[in-house]
This record gives sequence, C-alpha cells and structure tokens, in this order.
Amino acid sequence: DAGITQSPRHKVTETGTPVTLRCHQTENHRYMYWYRQDPGHGLRLIHYSYGVKDTDKGEVSDGYSVSRSKTEDFLLTLESATSSQTSVYFCAISDLIMNTEAFFGQGTRLTVV
Amino acid sequence: DQQVKQNSPSLSVQEGRISILNCDYTNSMFDYFLWYKKYPAEGPTFLISISSIKDKNEDGRFTVFLNKSAKHLSLHIVPSQPGDSAVYFCAASGGRYGGSQGNLIFGKGTKLSVKP
Repeated sequence: DAGITQSPRHKVTETGTPVTLRCHQTENHRYMYWYRQDPGHGLRLIHYSYGVKDTDKGEVSDGYSVSRSKTEDFLLTLESATSSQTSVYFCAISDLIMNTEAFFGQGTRLTVV
Repeated sequence: DQQVKQNSPSLSVQEGRISILNCDYTNSMFDYFLWYKKYPAEGPTFLISISSIKDKNEDGRFTVFLNKSAKHLSLHIVPSQPGDSAVYFCAASGGRYGGSQGNLIFGKGTKLSVKP
C-alpha cells in the first residue's frame, strides 16, 4: 500500500465549527488531492496541490481551503462546517500529472450535525 | 454537467461469467482513462488504465476498451469472481479541470455484485 495516512478517520462536528482534515504521505509524491464522495455523485475534486505552497481549486471548492507547507502534508479546512459537507473525504497522491494511477487514502468520514 | 457518466448504478453477474461495465464521456480533451475499484470503508484502488492512443489494454482478467469516436469505454472482467464485488469508478484526465495537472474526473460509479 502507498504510504498515505488520513486523520482523523471519523469525526462528528457541529455546524459552524472549523474542521481540519490531514493527509500525510511518505512517498514524496509531488501531487496531492482532496476528493469527497457522496451517494449519487461519485468522487468530486475539492482542491489539489502540485507542490509546496502551490494549490488550486477543483470542482467543488466552495467552503473549503487547503494548505501545503511541506511535501508530505496536505490539509483540508472547513472554515465553518455545514451539514452539506457531511461526506467521506479522500486524499490522493500521484507523482506525475495523473496520467498514471493515483493512490488513495482510507478516507475520513465527517458528519456535521 | 457530468463529463464522465456511468449510467448503470448497479450490475449483477453470475460467477464465472463476463462483467461489462460501461462509461461515457463528453469532453474530447480527455486523453487518459482509468478504472478504480472500491470496497466499503476503503479508499479506491487503481485497477487498469488506457491512453487515448490505444483502443485496448489488458491486465489478467481485466480488459479496458476505448472507442474514441463514440466517447465510450468499457471494462470487461472475465471470468467474474465473488471477490470482484465492489463499486467500480471510471475516471478521465484532461479537460476543464485537467489542464497541465491532468486531474481526474470521476463517474458516479457502478456497483458490481458477482453471485456464487
């Protein structure tokens, strides 16, 4: 298995609170991604990073921010969690421009009540 | 608008028979296609891929076919095994959210059930 660790694996939080999810890799891959998976929607890209301090928005970036201060860590922050952000969040990494396979973490199940 | 479509939410197949999962895309800029398999409570795992310069790629029991003119690809699993029961996601890179990063755009997935 690729060295990707997501933390926490499960979290319940209240509406309006800030939440940060962490993705840590040991593969020294340049590219890191955050996706969310929802029933009926498949996997949708939130944000991605193509290097330290280099990030960009994906398809569903509203309400989310990211930071990458080190190659190995990619943080996803919900500034003020809403119930619509209840989802399973997956981090992925790749060493090229995703023309080869990306490796996914185990996921974080976030519930906003 | 969905750029990658998997129109069958589910598929049930008998063990030993062929499973065919289909995927359509709308963006002609996509140039690389992948299939991922996902078990419950796990992250997606890469299965097989194909470049737009090819029309077929085979890996063991898994074969992916690409028809660029129809903007259609399919995944064939022969013979199907109960352990293949999972959700299969089609993904494509390039296009609007791809740019130079080639980010993956996923379909909604097809749940495959292989019955013993």
